[in-house]
Formats: sequence, structure tokens, C-alpha cells
Amino acid sequence: EVQLVESGGGLVQPGRSLRLSCTASGFTFGDYAMSWVRQAPGKGLEWVGFIRSKAYGGTTEYAASVKGRFTISRDDSKSIAYLQMNSLKTEDTAVYYCPRYGGHFDYWGQGSLVTVSS
Amino acid sequence: QSVLTQPPSVSAAPGQKVTISCSGSSSNIGNNYVSWYKQLPGTAPKLLIYENNKRPSGTPDRFSGSKSGTSATLGITGLQTGDEADYYCGTWDSSLSAGVFGGGTKLTVL
Repeated sequence: EVQLVESGGGLVQPGRSLRLSCTASGFTFGDYAMSWVRQAPGKGLEWVGFIRSKAYGGTTEYAASVKGRFTISRDDSKSIAYLQMNSLKTEDTAVYYCPRYGGHFDYWGQGSLVTVSS
Repeated sequence: QSVLTQPPSVSAAPGQKVTISCSGSSSNIGNNYVSWYKQLPGTAPKLLIYENNKRPSGTPDRFSGSKSGTSATLGITGLQTGDEADYYCGTWDSSLSAGVFGGGTKLTVL
């Protein structure tokens, strides 16, 4: 059974950093791209970015709203994807999901809430 | 404002049929696959339709997807109260080099 568990969320002040983790199980993690999608309170889904599998170079793509501030990485030996978030803004407050990506988001975790507030 | 345009809400009676539209452009829907997601309150989204019209195992055949030009449509027949949820379309935008979603449509089964 495919499982994705996001962790690392919490309350953080504007301008600070936070790193989210996405721990995967139930599939060969290294064979898949992994993405991050967020949802602000009461709002719709917003694509954050994704990281390709090593077979496709392990390269990343980001939404314009987070480019230069957020970094996605992966550790295939641990089946974990990371989202490093720097220079956080109040508008980054959201639930962050890490769905598996194969041209569509086929499996989702329960999400991790990040609140950016002073 | 979302790159893909969906109606904010739709409604229909139990047993009836409803469609949800998703409008985009040649850089997204026009040249890429569309997927659809269902989200119940307080839960994570769930894949409903992928590659325009394919159903993953677990999606009832009451749900269908189609695409024509720069628009896509999700159809739901035999509406049930459990279908009440928010529905999102998504695809890749080749010009933005980014994933994009519609703003979401809230389905009410009256």
C-alpha cells in the first residue's frame, strides 16, 4: 500500500526557515517524481514544485511564487522528499501535501500545516 | 486568480447528472493531459480521473472525463450524497513550466 506522510510543519515567524519531510512507503521511491502542493486555509490547491527521479536527472521545477525561496530535494536511500522553505512569508501559510507525480498526482499524504505568523 | 477556470459551484439532485467544466489555453489543457481530484472537507485530495479520461482503480464508472481543445469536463452520473465535495482540475502548463490547478468547484447534492 502506497503511503506518504508529511511532517515538520508548525508555527514559524516571517522571514524564518522550515523544512518539511515526506516519508514514502509501499513503492520504489526512486522510480518516481515527487511533488509538493499546498492549500491555504479556505482556498484551492496550488502547485509548489516537483523533483524528477534520478533517471530523469533529479532536476526540479518550481512555481513562480516560491522560486528562489523554496528548494525540493530527495534522499532515495531513505525514501524521503524534502521541502526547504526559506524567507517565509505570511502568504505561505497552508497545508502542504507531497503527492507522488507521474504526470498526475496519484497518491497524497494527509498534509502538514505550516503557519507563518509573528 | 487560477490559470484554469472552473465554476465556483454546481448543484443537482440525487440520481441526476452534473458536469464540471475546466477551461484553459493551448499552453496547458490544449497540449497536456488533464486530471481531476476530489476533496472532502478536512481531507487530502484524491485522484479521480487522469490522462483526460482514465479512471484509476477505485473510481466508479459514474465518473467520466473528457477534453476538447482547451477545455475539459468532468461528468458525474447517478449523483449520491457522498459525491458532495470540492473538485479540482489540473494539468501542466508548458509556457509557465509549472503545474496548474483550477480554482475548484463545490458540488452540492440537493
